Amino acid sequence: AQTVTQSQPEMSVQEAETVTLSCTYDTSESDYYLFWYKQPPSRQMILVIRQEAYKQQNATENRFSVNFQKAAKSFSLKISDSQLGDAAMYFCAYRSTNTGNQFYFGTGTSLTVIP
Amino acid sequence: EAGVAQSPRYKIIEKRQSVAFWCNPISGHATLYWYQQILGQGPKLLIQFQNNGVVDDSQLPKDRFSAERLKGVDSTLKIQPAKLEDSAVYLCASSLNGQRGDETQYFGPGTRLLVL
Repeated sequence: AQTVTQSQPEMSVQEAETVTLSCTYDTSESDYYLFWYKQPPSRQMILVIRQEAYKQQNATENRFSVNFQKAAKSFSLKISDSQLGDAAMYFCAYRSTNTGNQFYFGTGTSLTVIP
Repeated sequence: EAGVAQSPRYKIIEKRQSVAFWCNPISGHATLYWYQQILGQGPKLLIQFQNNGVVDDSQLPKDRFSAERLKGVDSTLKIQPAKLEDSAVYLCASSLNGQRGDETQYFGPGTRLLVL
């Protein structure tokens, strides 16, 4: 089974600053999808950004961008101009393209935004 | 647009008892997922439905867990009998049709289960 590793259990950032959350994964597949999900204290998880493995261009969504390094199996999330509302648990996730499209989540990084 | 609904929000039971969770996905969404999220861990996919058929249940402990989506709309997840290690948040999610691997999943608020 694929594994997703988030090595930073907790991170903090000053409001308006930039922070990078790291994620690595282990797979033998060449085609797959990667995601970052945000889970605020209310616990309803929402999608932040997604990346297709066969696309070399890094995905961006407003203040959120990724650094996808396929050879290194690394998928970090950069949050620019951090806002108080960005405080949440962030999960990195991998989706297989094999039968069943199984999803694998990392253990999460808790982000605190300091005013 | 109404989101994914789940009930109950909280449940406390004793070990060896049975419990059931209900999920109503976003209207028109063909794909439904059940996840188990143990405290301090990421969600683990238990089962995925496409309409009323099971796509993947490889991580569902079938000796005690069961799930159904009889009419291809809402779904129930049952645990019988419950063990202490089943204490977790059970998340339901839905997506439009499951055809694209990068399809957005929309999550419900979850059901927090405590087994004593």
